[in-house]
Formats: sequence, structure tokens, C-alpha cells
Amino acid sequence: AAGVIQSPRHLIKEKRETATLKCYPIPRHDTVYWYQQGPGQDPQFLISFYEKMQSDKGSIPDRFSAQQFSDYHSELNMSSLELGDSALYFCASREGLAGERVKNIQYFGAGTRLSVL
Amino acid sequence: AQKITQTQPGMFVQEKEAVTLDCTYDTSDQSYGLFWYKQPSSGEMIFLIYQGSYDEQNATEGRYSLNFQKARKSANLVISASQLGDSAMYFCAMREGQGNQGGKLIFGQGTELSVKP
Repeated sequence: AAGVIQSPRHLIKEKRETATLKCYPIPRHDTVYWYQQGPGQDPQFLISFYEKMQSDKGSIPDRFSAQQFSDYHSELNMSSLELGDSALYFCASREGLAGERVKNIQYFGAGTRLSVL
Repeated sequence: AQKITQTQPGMFVQEKEAVTLDCTYDTSDQSYGLFWYKQPSSGEMIFLIYQGSYDEQNATEGRYSLNFQKARKSANLVISASQLGDSAMYFCAMREGQGNQGGKLIFGQGTELSVKP
């Protein structure tokens, strides 16, 4: 079965540089979530999209922006990178069927490991 | 605000034995979903099992089962017949919000499980 695809898998950047992370959701999944996981920490929600519109926003720095395109893939753009941005960035997708008794399981990609030097 | 608590930072289990990983949650929502994910040292986040608040039966998926006690607000993961490949970090998570505008996951701190041969 197709899974969530993230690219690149690893990224090394210098401080103040920019980075773009890409996410290709499971086919027919129209909802995408981005999470950031710092070293030794649990994942923290950044932002989500449903049907190409931003649906929710977490603790995402103003230096970061994201969007979902017409083919449902999503990109997370990070500018003015700081050392503290070094983390594992996950994208997750789920089917858009919403409801109280719908599982809405989020399936995660393998993540992009960003190192800021 | 919703909260997930995992009080066991690390656990050891002998190969072929069963192990229980604890998870308690706090929410004022009547309808919610609880998830367990496995994160091996390679970093990917693997979905294991889901329990809906309306589900009367405890969820089971192969060697994984969820001991759901709604009144106690606990959703413990039971792994039967542990294998060496089960050594990983395990996260309990709760879905926050309903409908297509919500659904982000709130994670616990994680439990590092080590399976001994």
C-alpha cells in the first residue's frame, strides 16, 4: 500500500538559510498535518491543511510557512533557520471523512531530519 | 486543554513475555480518539492501534491490544509475546478537535521499551 512520502530524508543547512520540505500524502487523503519533533521530545503540531486550505495552526514560528497544492501535496518552507530548528519534521495524512465515530487515523511519513549548523 | 501522560520513561521486558505501557489522558470532550504509535531508532512513526471513545470493546491488532478504561481515563497498550523488534519508543496520542478543521494529535512523552533476549 502507498504511504506518505517525504523529501528530502535528510537536510543540512547553515544558520539563516532557507529550507523546503515536501510531503506527498497517501492517495485520496486530502488532509495533511505537519509535526516537529526535537531531540528526545514528543512530536509537536505545527500546521494542517484540508482540501488545500489551512485548517489549524499550532506553535509554528512566523519564519515558517506552508501550503497544500492542487494535487494535495504539501510543502513546509522555513526561512532564517536557527540552531533550534534542528529536528525531525513529520508529515501525516488522513482521509477527509470526518465524524465522531470515524477513526481518522493519521499515517506518518518517514520524516525529514533537518540539521542546522 | 487535552493532555496525555505517559509515566514510564523506560521499560524492560523479556523476549516472549507480555508488557503493558501506561497512558492516561485528560479531556472534556465527549467524543475523542486515542492512538498508539511506535517509533524505532530509525525515526519513522508507525501507527499501531486506535480506540474511539464510543467503542465498547477494547481494540486489538495482532499482538497489540488496548486496555481502555474510560472512567479512569486510561488507555494502556498491551504487547503480547514481545519480540526483539519491539524495542522502540512508544507514543500514546489523542486526537484534538472534531471534523475536518481539527484532528491534530497531542502526544504523550513516550515510553522507551527494551526487549531483552
